[in-house]
Amino acid sequence: DVKVTQSSRYLVKRTGEKVFLECVQDMDHENMFWYRQDPGLGLRLIYFSYDVKMKEKGDIPEGYSVSREKKERFSLILESASTNQTSMYLCASSSAGLGVNEQFFGPGTRLTVL
Amino acid sequence: GESVGLHLPTLSVQEGDNSIINCAYSNSASDYFIWYKQESGKGPQFIIDIRSNMDKRQGQRVTVLLNKTVKHLSLQIAATQPGDSAVYFCAEKVSSASKIIFGSGTRLSIRP
Repeated sequence: DVKVTQSSRYLVKRTGEKVFLECVQDMDHENMFWYRQDPGLGLRLIYFSYDVKMKEKGDIPEGYSVSREKKERFSLILESASTNQTSMYLCASSSAGLGVNEQFFGPGTRLTVL
Repeated sequence: GESVGLHLPTLSVQEGDNSIINCAYSNSASDYFIWYKQESGKGPQFIIDIRSNMDKRQGQRVTVLLNKTVKHLSLQIAATQPGDSAVYFCAEKVSSASKIIFGSGTRLSIRP
Protein backbone atom coordinates (compact mmCIF):
# COMPACT_ATOMS: atom_id res chain seq x y z
CA ASP A 1 0.00 0.00 0.00
CA VAL A 2 1.46 3.32 -1.05
CA LYS A 3 2.09 5.74 1.71
CA VAL A 4 2.92 9.34 2.45
CA THR A 5 3.62 9.98 6.11
CA GLN A 6 4.01 13.21 8.02
CA SER A 7 5.99 13.47 11.21
CA SER A 8 3.25 14.94 13.38
CA ARG A 9 -0.54 15.05 13.26
CA TYR A 10 -0.78 17.96 15.69
CA LEU A 11 1.81 20.56 16.60
CA VAL A 12 1.68 23.61 18.86
CA LYS A 13 4.46 26.17 18.64
CA ARG A 14 5.10 29.68 19.87
CA THR A 15 5.57 32.79 17.77
CA GLY A 16 9.17 33.11 16.63
CA GLU A 17 10.03 29.43 16.99
CA LYS A 18 11.65 27.53 14.13
CA VAL A 19 9.37 24.73 12.99
CA PHE A 20 10.19 21.65 10.94
CA LEU A 21 7.50 19.60 9.24
CA GLU A 22 8.73 16.34 7.79
CA CYS A 23 7.22 14.26 5.01
CA VAL A 24 8.31 10.84 3.80
CA GLN A 25 7.01 8.83 0.84
CA ASP A 26 7.73 5.21 0.03
CA MET A 27 6.73 5.22 -3.64
CA ASP A 28 10.05 6.39 -5.12
CA HIS A 29 8.26 9.47 -6.46
CA GLU A 30 10.27 12.27 -8.00
CA ASN A 31 7.82 15.06 -7.18
CA MET A 32 6.90 16.18 -3.70
CA PHE A 33 4.67 19.06 -2.63
CA TRP A 34 3.75 21.07 0.44
CA TYR A 35 0.32 22.68 0.68
CA ARG A 36 -1.50 24.56 3.35
CA GLN A 37 -5.22 24.20 3.73
CA ASP A 38 -7.43 26.87 5.27
CA PRO A 39 -11.23 26.95 5.50
CA GLY A 40 -12.82 28.17 2.28
CA LEU A 41 -9.48 28.61 0.54
CA GLY A 42 -8.83 25.05 -0.52
CA LEU A 43 -5.28 23.79 -0.95
CA ARG A 44 -2.62 26.37 -1.71
CA LEU A 45 0.79 25.27 -2.92
CA ILE A 46 3.72 26.51 -0.82
CA TYR A 47 6.68 24.77 -2.46
CA PHE A 48 7.36 21.74 -4.56
CA SER A 49 10.37 19.70 -5.52
CA TYR A 50 10.87 17.67 -8.67
CA ASP A 51 14.18 16.12 -7.70
CA VAL A 52 16.65 15.86 -4.86
CA LYS A 53 18.02 19.29 -3.93
CA MET A 54 15.65 20.94 -6.42
CA LYS A 55 12.82 23.19 -5.33
CA GLU A 56 10.38 25.63 -6.82
CA LYS A 57 8.16 28.22 -5.23
CA GLY A 58 4.48 27.63 -5.27
CA ASP A 59 1.78 30.23 -4.86
CA ILE A 60 2.47 31.24 -1.24
CA PRO A 61 6.16 30.65 -0.41
CA GLU A 62 6.64 33.68 1.84
CA GLY A 63 7.68 32.74 5.35
CA TYR A 64 8.57 29.19 4.37
CA SER A 65 11.57 27.27 3.07
CA VAL A 66 12.05 23.64 2.11
CA SER A 67 14.74 21.01 2.02
CA ARG A 68 15.02 17.87 -0.10
CA GLU A 69 18.26 16.07 0.69
CA LYS A 70 16.90 12.59 -0.05
CA LYS A 71 14.39 11.49 -2.63
CA GLU A 72 11.93 10.13 -0.12
CA ARG A 73 11.96 13.08 2.27
CA PHE A 74 10.71 16.64 1.87
CA SER A 75 10.88 19.06 4.76
CA LEU A 76 8.96 22.29 5.24
CA ILE A 77 10.62 24.88 7.47
CA LEU A 78 9.07 27.87 9.16
CA GLU A 79 12.10 29.97 10.08
CA SER A 80 10.17 32.12 12.55
CA ALA A 81 6.63 30.94 13.07
CA SER A 82 3.85 33.52 13.13
CA THR A 83 0.21 33.22 14.14
CA ASN A 84 -0.95 33.57 10.54
CA GLN A 85 0.84 30.31 9.79
CA THR A 86 -1.63 28.42 11.94
CA SER A 87 -3.08 25.99 9.42
CA MET A 88 -3.35 22.42 8.20
CA TYR A 89 -0.25 21.42 6.25
CA LEU A 90 -0.49 18.67 3.67
CA CYS A 91 2.35 16.89 1.92
CA ALA A 92 1.89 15.07 -1.38
CA SER A 93 3.99 13.16 -3.86
CA SER A 94 3.65 12.10 -7.47
CA SER A 95 5.70 10.38 -10.12
CA ALA A 96 7.35 12.41 -12.84
CA GLY A 97 7.54 11.83 -16.57
CA LEU A 98 5.11 12.45 -19.36
CA GLY A 99 1.41 12.26 -18.93
CA VAL A 100 -0.76 12.72 -15.95
CA ASN A 101 0.36 12.02 -12.43
CA GLU A 102 -1.94 11.53 -9.50
CA GLN A 103 -0.80 13.14 -6.26
CA PHE A 104 -0.87 11.03 -3.12
CA PHE A 105 -1.42 12.90 0.11
CA GLY A 106 -0.29 12.43 3.66
CA PRO A 107 -2.73 12.74 6.59
CA GLY A 108 -1.78 16.34 7.32
CA THR A 109 -0.22 18.22 10.21
CA ARG A 110 -2.39 20.67 12.07
CA LEU A 111 -0.08 23.43 13.27
CA THR A 112 -1.13 25.99 15.84
CA VAL A 113 1.13 28.98 16.45
CA LEU A 114 0.42 30.79 19.70
CA GLY B 1 -18.93 24.18 -6.05
CA GLU B 2 -16.88 27.34 -5.56
CA SER B 3 -15.93 29.17 -2.43
CA VAL B 4 -17.72 32.26 -1.30
CA GLY B 5 -15.42 34.17 1.01
CA LEU B 6 -14.38 31.86 3.82
CA HIS B 7 -17.50 29.71 3.70
CA LEU B 8 -17.30 26.27 2.22
CA PRO B 9 -20.31 25.51 -0.03
CA THR B 10 -22.35 22.66 1.39
CA LEU B 11 -24.52 20.18 -0.43
CA SER B 12 -27.05 18.33 1.74
CA VAL B 13 -28.42 15.12 0.27
CA GLN B 14 -30.83 12.47 1.51
CA GLU B 15 -29.22 9.09 2.00
CA GLY B 16 -29.87 6.96 -1.06
CA ASP B 17 -30.32 9.91 -3.42
CA ASN B 18 -27.83 10.88 -6.08
CA SER B 19 -25.39 13.74 -5.43
CA ILE B 20 -24.06 16.16 -7.99
CA ILE B 21 -21.10 18.34 -7.09
CA ASN B 22 -20.11 21.04 -9.53
CA CYS B 23 -16.86 22.79 -10.23
CA ALA B 24 -15.74 25.55 -12.58
CA TYR B 25 -12.11 25.38 -13.61
CA SER B 26 -10.00 28.29 -14.65
CA ASN B 27 -7.31 27.32 -17.14
CA SER B 28 -8.40 26.55 -20.68
CA ALA B 29 -5.02 24.81 -21.21
CA SER B 30 -5.78 22.24 -18.49
CA ASP B 31 -6.14 18.78 -19.98
CA TYR B 32 -6.40 16.59 -16.94
CA PHE B 33 -8.97 16.81 -14.17
CA ILE B 34 -9.28 15.02 -10.88
CA TRP B 35 -11.77 14.72 -8.08
CA TYR B 36 -10.48 14.23 -4.55
CA LYS B 37 -12.38 13.30 -1.41
CA GLN B 38 -11.23 14.51 1.99
CA GLU B 39 -12.73 12.99 5.09
CA SER B 40 -12.43 14.70 8.43
CA GLY B 41 -8.90 14.41 9.82
CA LYS B 42 -7.44 12.89 6.69
CA GLY B 43 -5.59 14.01 3.61
CA PRO B 44 -7.34 14.18 0.22
CA GLN B 45 -7.83 10.87 -1.57
CA PHE B 46 -8.14 10.35 -5.31
CA ILE B 47 -11.63 9.38 -6.49
CA ILE B 48 -11.67 9.61 -10.26
CA ASP B 49 -9.96 11.47 -13.08
CA ILE B 50 -10.71 12.41 -16.65
CA ARG B 51 -8.63 13.60 -19.57
CA SER B 52 -9.76 16.43 -21.79
CA ASN B 53 -10.31 14.12 -24.76
CA MET B 54 -13.25 12.60 -22.89
CA ASP B 55 -16.51 14.13 -21.68
CA LYS B 56 -17.60 11.37 -19.34
CA ARG B 57 -15.95 8.73 -17.23
CA GLN B 58 -17.54 6.27 -14.84
CA GLY B 59 -16.18 4.55 -11.79
CA GLN B 60 -17.81 2.59 -9.04
CA ARG B 61 -20.89 4.68 -8.07
CA VAL B 62 -19.17 7.82 -9.36
CA THR B 63 -19.29 9.58 -12.71
CA VAL B 64 -17.32 12.61 -13.79
CA LEU B 65 -18.61 14.86 -16.56
CA LEU B 66 -16.46 17.39 -18.35
CA ASN B 67 -17.75 20.30 -20.42
CA LYS B 68 -14.76 22.05 -21.92
CA THR B 69 -16.87 24.64 -23.69
CA VAL B 70 -17.91 26.24 -20.42
CA LYS B 71 -14.96 24.91 -18.36
CA HIS B 72 -17.21 22.94 -16.07
CA LEU B 73 -16.66 19.69 -14.24
CA SER B 74 -19.13 17.69 -12.19
CA LEU B 75 -18.98 14.66 -9.93
CA GLN B 76 -22.05 12.49 -9.63
CA ILE B 77 -22.34 10.02 -6.77
CA ALA B 78 -25.06 7.41 -7.12
CA ALA B 79 -27.06 6.20 -4.11
CA THR B 80 -25.26 8.43 -1.64
CA GLN B 81 -24.21 6.70 1.58
CA PRO B 82 -23.18 8.06 5.00
CA GLY B 83 -19.58 7.19 4.18
CA ASP B 84 -19.69 9.68 1.33
CA SER B 85 -19.77 12.56 3.81
CA ALA B 86 -16.63 14.56 3.11
CA VAL B 87 -15.26 17.62 1.38
CA TYR B 88 -14.84 17.11 -2.35
CA PHE B 89 -12.23 18.99 -4.35
CA CYS B 90 -11.94 19.29 -8.07
CA ALA B 91 -8.46 19.83 -9.46
CA GLU B 92 -7.05 20.71 -12.85
CA LYS B 93 -3.65 20.14 -14.40
CA VAL B 94 -1.75 20.66 -17.58
CA SER B 95 -0.24 17.25 -18.38
CA SER B 96 3.25 18.60 -18.98
CA ALA B 97 3.32 20.43 -15.66
CA SER B 98 3.96 19.12 -12.15
CA LYS B 99 1.49 21.39 -10.38
CA ILE B 100 -2.17 20.68 -9.76
CA ILE B 101 -4.58 23.57 -9.19
CA PHE B 102 -7.21 22.76 -6.59
CA GLY B 103 -10.66 24.23 -6.25
CA SER B 104 -11.81 25.40 -2.85
CA GLY B 105 -14.02 22.39 -2.18
CA THR B 106 -17.65 21.47 -1.49
CA ARG B 107 -18.82 19.78 1.68
CA LEU B 108 -21.24 16.90 1.12
CA SER B 109 -23.57 16.27 4.04
CA ILE B 110 -25.83 13.21 4.16
CA ARG B 111 -29.26 13.33 5.81
CA PRO B 112 -30.48 10.01 7.25
